[in-house]
Amino acid sequence: ILNVEQSPQSLHVQEGDSTNFTCSFPSSNFYALHWYRWETAKSPEALFVMTLNGDEKKKGRISATLNTKEGYSYLYIKGSQPEDSATYLCALSAMDGGSQGNLIFGKGTKLSVKP
Amino acid sequence: NAGVTQTPKFQVLKTGQSMTLQCAQDMNHEYMSWYRQDPGMGLRLIHYSVGAGITDQGEVPNGYNVSRSTTEDFPLRLLSAAPSQTSVYFCASGGGRINEQFFGPGTRLTVL
Repeated sequence: ILNVEQSPQSLHVQEGDSTNFTCSFPSSNFYALHWYRWETAKSPEALFVMTLNGDEKKKGRISATLNTKEGYSYLYIKGSQPEDSATYLCALSAMDGGSQGNLIFGKGTKLSVKP
Repeated sequence: NAGVTQTPKFQVLKTGQSMTLQCAQDMNHEYMSWYRQDPGMGLRLIHYSVGAGITDQGEVPNGYNVSRSTTEDFPLRLLSAAPSQTSVYFCASGGGRINEQFFGPGTRLTVL
C-alpha cells in the first residue's frame, strides 16, 4: 500500500502570516497529486490537481508546487486569514494494476489562524 | 445539480443491527467510493466502483458490502454493526484520468 505523508500534523499561525506545508509520496507509479481543503463539519473540497513535474497551481492566496522526481508537493498560503483555518489534505492517485486510480490520502495538516 | 448526496446525516445503531447508508450523485460520474474518517487515521477507502455493476474492495472493506446497480447510486451496507464501525462516512464520486473526487456531506454513525 502506498503511503502519503503530510507535515506538520498541525500548525498555529497569526493572521497575516504566510505558511507552507509538505506532502511526501513515493515517486514511482505517480499519476496525479491532489490537494483538498476540509473545514470542520463540512466535506473535503478540491483545491488543486497536479500531474506534471514542476507544475504550479494558484488560487487566490493559495498556491501549490509539485516535484514528482523527489516525491513531494508544497502548499503555500500567503497572508493567512482566519477563514483559511481548515485541514488540508493531500492525496495521491497512482497507476498500478488494481488501483483504478484510487486516491490515497495523507492524514492532513490542520491549520489554525488566530485573528 | 445537487452533486453528491448522502442520507442519513446521523445514525445511532445497536451492536448487531444492520443498515444501509445511501449515496447518490447526479454528475454522471463513473467512479464512486466510500471512505471512513477516524481521528488520527485520515480518510480510508472502504469500497469503490468504476461503473454500474462493478465494485471492488478498498483498504478497509471488512464488515461492509456495496452494490452499484445504477450509475447514480452507491449504497453502503453494514450487515451486523460493531462499535468499531463508529465513524464518519463519506461518499465521493469522480472520474476521468485525474479522478478528482467530489464528496458528499458525510454520515456520522455511532454503534453502541
